Amino acid sequence: SQQGEEDPQALSIQEGENATMNCSYKTSINNLQWYRQNSGRGLVHLILIRSNEREKHSGRLRVTLDTSKKSSSLLITASRAADTASYFCATDARAAGNKLTFGGGTRVLVKP
Amino acid sequence: SQTIHQWPATLVQPVGSPLSLECTVEGTSNPNLYWYRQAAGRGLQLLFYSVGIGQISSEVPQNLSASRPQDRQFILSSKKLLLSDSGFYLCAWTTGTGHYGYTFGSGTRLTVV
Repeated sequence: SQQGEEDPQALSIQEGENATMNCSYKTSINNLQWYRQNSGRGLVHLILIRSNEREKHSGRLRVTLDTSKKSSSLLITASRAADTASYFCATDARAAGNKLTFGGGTRVLVKP
Repeated sequence: SQTIHQWPATLVQPVGSPLSLECTVEGTSNPNLYWYRQAAGRGLQLLFYSVGIGQISSEVPQNLSASRPQDRQFILSSKKLLLSDSGFYLCAWTTGTGHYGYTFGSGTRLTVV
């Protein structure tokens, strides 16, 4: 079964707007990671946030982690058409043998 | 710098034919290696992982097998492909420390006809 579940499944916004997507998971984690996948391509690692961290930034990306609610969010600020992609959260959990388990992803469309 | 190569990019194979997908990593040693499969519009399913030469762990019983003949080489195989083996196959590596994300190859689109 999937450890991480993203919400929403799809998101359509105008260029310049912010995009927020959420990820919920079931078991305690070592860290949570966000990846981006352009259509038909491999995944690109965006951010890793450890279980003892609450917020992390990388450029226009902001990730939060709430371990009490077992949830994380990814915020993309001032979106660009080039941000159009699928975004996946993945959890590294001891219960899963410290292997990465992926959610189903959020498809983001940024309209110019 | 570390790079990961995966080939071929696309493959169309008849049912019952064999399969061999290869993944190699450069610029690092003793990586943890992974094979994932992605169905259309879905998330990734872990198929196999390896923490060292000859060490293979299978996550999902299926028609596929994996081998790691060299430290930085990971091979996904099948003796007889099924229609259900169609999908997007991704190889990935990471260090054993768990402190870094995974680096993925560009993927192989397999269509079994």
